[in-house]
Amino acid sequence: GAVVSQHPSWVICKSGTSVKIECRSLDFQATTMFWYRQFPKQSLMLMATSNEGSKATYEQGVEKDKFLINHASLTLSTLTVTSAHPEDSSFYICSARGVAKNIQYFGAGTRLSVL
Amino acid sequence: DAKTTQPPSMDCAEGRAANLPCNHSTISGNEYVYWYRQIHSQGPQYIIHGLKNNETNEMASLIITEDRKSSTLILPHATLRDTAVYYCIVRVVDSGSRLTFGEGTQLTVNP
Repeated sequence: GAVVSQHPSWVICKSGTSVKIECRSLDFQATTMFWYRQFPKQSLMLMATSNEGSKATYEQGVEKDKFLINHASLTLSTLTVTSAHPEDSSFYICSARGVAKNIQYFGAGTRLSVL
Repeated sequence: DAKTTQPPSMDCAEGRAANLPCNHSTISGNEYVYWYRQIHSQGPQYIIHGLKNNETNEMASLIITEDRKSSTLILPHATLRDTAVYYCIVRVVDSGSRLTFGEGTQLTVNP
C-alpha cells in the first residue's frame, strides 16, 4: 500500500511552546489530508480535513487557532500545536487520500507529551 | 455515514481463522465497507474494502451479506502479530467523505 510518513514520532515540550508535526505522502499525491487525535484507551477522533491549497475544515470543538494546519503541497501537510498545554498531550495521527479517493492511508503517529 | 456495531473483544488461537463480525444495518446503497486495524501505539493500517461482492487480498477476506447489513472480516491463519484493534467503517467514496472510527474490536491472538 501507499506510504505516509509522519515526523517526529515522539516529542516532549514545555508548556507554552509550539510544536510542529509533519505528514508526507511518499509515493502518491494526497489531494486530501486528515488529522486525528487519540487519547489513551479511546478511538481516533477526527480533528480536521484539509485539501491542498485550501483552508482546513475543523471538526466541532477543535480550536482552529490552536491547531494550525497547512497543506501547501500535494505531498505535505503540517499540524502546529500552538502554546501547548498538558491537556494537549495525546497521540496525533495524520492520514492522506489520493485522487482515487477510495483508500485513506495513515502515518505512524506522533506522541506529544507537554510538561 | 452509517453506524457500525462490533463486539468489543474477541480471542483467537494462533494458526486458526479469525472471523470478525460487523453490523451495519443502516448502510446506504453507495456506502462501502472498510476494515482497518491498529496495532498498539501505531497508526491504523488499511486491510480491505468492498461494496457488495466478497473481496480477498493478501491480508484478509471480506464477506458481505447479500442484504449488505452485515459483514465479516476473515484472517485465515491468525498470528500473534495480528493482535490489534480492528475497525469496521462504512463510507461513501467521494471527495467530501472521511473515515470516522468507532470503538472497534480488540482481537487477541493467543499462542
